[in-house]
Amino acid sequence: SQTIHQWPATLVQPVGSPLSLECTVEGTSNPNLYWYRQAAGRGLQLLFYSVGIGQISSEVPQNLSASRPQDRQFILSSKKLLLSDSGFYLCAWSVRRAYNEQFFGPGTRLTVL
Amino acid sequence: DQQVKQNSPSLSVQEGRISILNCDYTNSMFDYFLWYKKYPAEGPTFLISISSIKDKNEDGRFTVFLNKSAKHLSLHIVPSQPGDSAVYFCAASSLYGGATNKLIFGTGTLLAVQP
Repeated sequence: SQTIHQWPATLVQPVGSPLSLECTVEGTSNPNLYWYRQAAGRGLQLLFYSVGIGQISSEVPQNLSASRPQDRQFILSSKKLLLSDSGFYLCAWSVRRAYNEQFFGPGTRLTVL
Repeated sequence: DQQVKQNSPSLSVQEGRISILNCDYTNSMFDYFLWYKKYPAEGPTFLISISSIKDKNEDGRFTVFLNKSAKHLSLHIVPSQPGDSAVYFCAASSLYGGATNKLIFGTGTLLAVQP
């Protein structure tokens, strides 16, 4: 069966510090991978998605970036965090076809102080 | 521009009664719809989906109805149980998204089932 891991579970970072969140998927090959953010009281905002190694599409302009160095690894990064980057970050995967559900990881709670 | 809207931020229902969660969309190209359930500090879990070629899909206590002309879908939970208390998100996608399988999510409805 497929499993998706995210770490860390929680993170408190000062403004201006760097960020690296990691997501890995087990039990599947060639997945689509996604990063979402849920800000307080808001819905799920798609930040990035990837259909293959090194292929990253950005949905919204921001000071975050994403990378996919391996087939089942997806990394969300920032060089300098802003207060507005606080939120709940979720990684998800799906098969590479339309009309399929996405499966979400447990999430990372990021607080920028 | 919010393409998928859940206009009720919260809903309270008595245990054993029906819960009806609503979702509206604006993009007529959407042709696949999903509902997710989310507990605090956890990732969403997939509940049920429906294709635009259907107007109803049922899975146990969960039924999703789709009204394409009104661009409206709803999730019915019967009977509601306290463990159903969570935030429910609807999501939509389009075949034109192709293999990216991108989903557009609504803002969620917090369901509270009172014992």
